[in-house]
Amino acid sequence: SQQGEEDPQALSIQEGENATMNCSYKTSINNLQWYRQNSGRGLVHLILIRSNEREKHSGRLRVTLDTSKKSSSLLITASRAADTASYFCATDSQGSGSARQLTFGSGTQLTVLP
Amino acid sequence: DVKVTQSSRYLVKRTGEKVFLECVQDMDHENMFWYRQDPGLGLRLIYFSYDVKMKEKGDIPEGYSVSREKKERFSLILESASTNQTSMYLCASWDSTDTQYFGPGTRLTVL
Repeated sequence: SQQGEEDPQALSIQEGENATMNCSYKTSINNLQWYRQNSGRGLVHLILIRSNEREKHSGRLRVTLDTSKKSSSLLITASRAADTASYFCATDSQGSGSARQLTFGSGTQLTVLP
Repeated sequence: DVKVTQSSRYLVKRTGEKVFLECVQDMDHENMFWYRQDPGLGLRLIYFSYDVKMKEKGDIPEGYSVSREKKERFSLILESASTNQTSMYLCASWDSTDTQYFGPGTRLTVL
């Protein structure tokens, strides 16, 4: 299965609520990144957390990383309708005999209802 | 309605030259990014900045440095250009609640 797996696959919340998405991975990583993709558009980088970091904030985003459980969570506080999008985690790991690369999970579709 | 501008669309440099790629955004965004895009490899993050004078390494920072002295300007520096740095360089800015805006890109060729 994929390196990064998001959970849940789909999430629907009311505007103003917090949204939490989880990501699990299998192998050792250098860092883990979260991206957003609005319908029909390209990926947008949200935040990067390194393997030696446990928590990181950027605006309304909060990311945690638990390397012992090989998992990460993305929390979006005070959600807005504009946060409706697909959210992907991407793990940065050293491939065997190859350059570092990002491996994306299948994504969580977040719908924020006004 | 251009919001992110890059200093050059096409640039040809010689191996060993110092190269400056400038990016300016007029949206008062705090977050700015430099990517390179190569066929078959997609977008790879070189450096990014969440605030003035702040910088963080991305996936492939080797051979590059950056400067963020003002909020609107994020510069990518190739200290000593090499042929493997021939690529399309894309700058982007983003406000964490808005679309990430990309500049038009700079096609750099290092001979």
